[in-house]
Amino acid sequence: DTEVTQTPKHLVMGMTNKKSLKCEQHMGHRAMYWYKQKAKKPPELMFVYSYEKLSINESVPSRFSPECPNSSLLNLHLHALQPEDSALYLCASRHLWNRGEDNEQFFGPGTRLTVL
Amino acid sequence: QKEVEQNSGPLSVPEGAIASLNCTYSDRGSQSFFWYRQYSGKSPELIMFIYSNGDKEDGRFTAQLNKASQYVSLLIRDSQPSDSATYLCAVRAGGTSYGKLTFGQGTILTVHP
Repeated sequence: DTEVTQTPKHLVMGMTNKKSLKCEQHMGHRAMYWYKQKAKKPPELMFVYSYEKLSINESVPSRFSPECPNSSLLNLHLHALQPEDSALYLCASRHLWNRGEDNEQFFGPGTRLTVL
Repeated sequence: QKEVEQNSGPLSVPEGAIASLNCTYSDRGSQSFFWYRQYSGKSPELIMFIYSNGDKEDGRFTAQLNKASQYVSLLIRDSQPSDSATYLCAVRAGGTSYGKLTFGQGTILTVHP
């Protein structure tokens, strides 16, 4: 299994809703990432988990709440979002080997989020 | 100064030509360099990575890295219409950055028949 999966593919939510995005990988990767990508812009890092612990929070508003329940799963809980939060949300993962060579970061297909 | 800069584009080349995509970076401690291809509405797909000075070839793609000049490029030989996409250059810093990637703004490539 060499892929990162994300569900749902599309999500429409109101500003008062609570929803969650899910990301899963079975490649044994111990680093997992959430990115946000607006149209015609590059991906923007939100959170990094390494060994299931939050390692980086790029000053993301608290209406986004990440969770890493185990080494294969990564969730992003959404609450009281704003229309400007509409974007493609990408999950990625990679190994955390301490080898001389590098290892690549694989992206999932993304969740297209629309906040009304 | 932006941390990672790409040639602004859009870039248009005829089918069969060589497409040349360029990227410069500001952090001299950067260790690894990645090229992702992204089709409209899809997620980024890794096509090349390089971490040693020089060239790395994979099929029609060649990545070139010059750390002294802080420059990385991607050459696509025998360009095909299916290569039309946005190409993102990404740079990974050294140290305990947990693999954080910094992306350039992307270059839109169009290959016309």
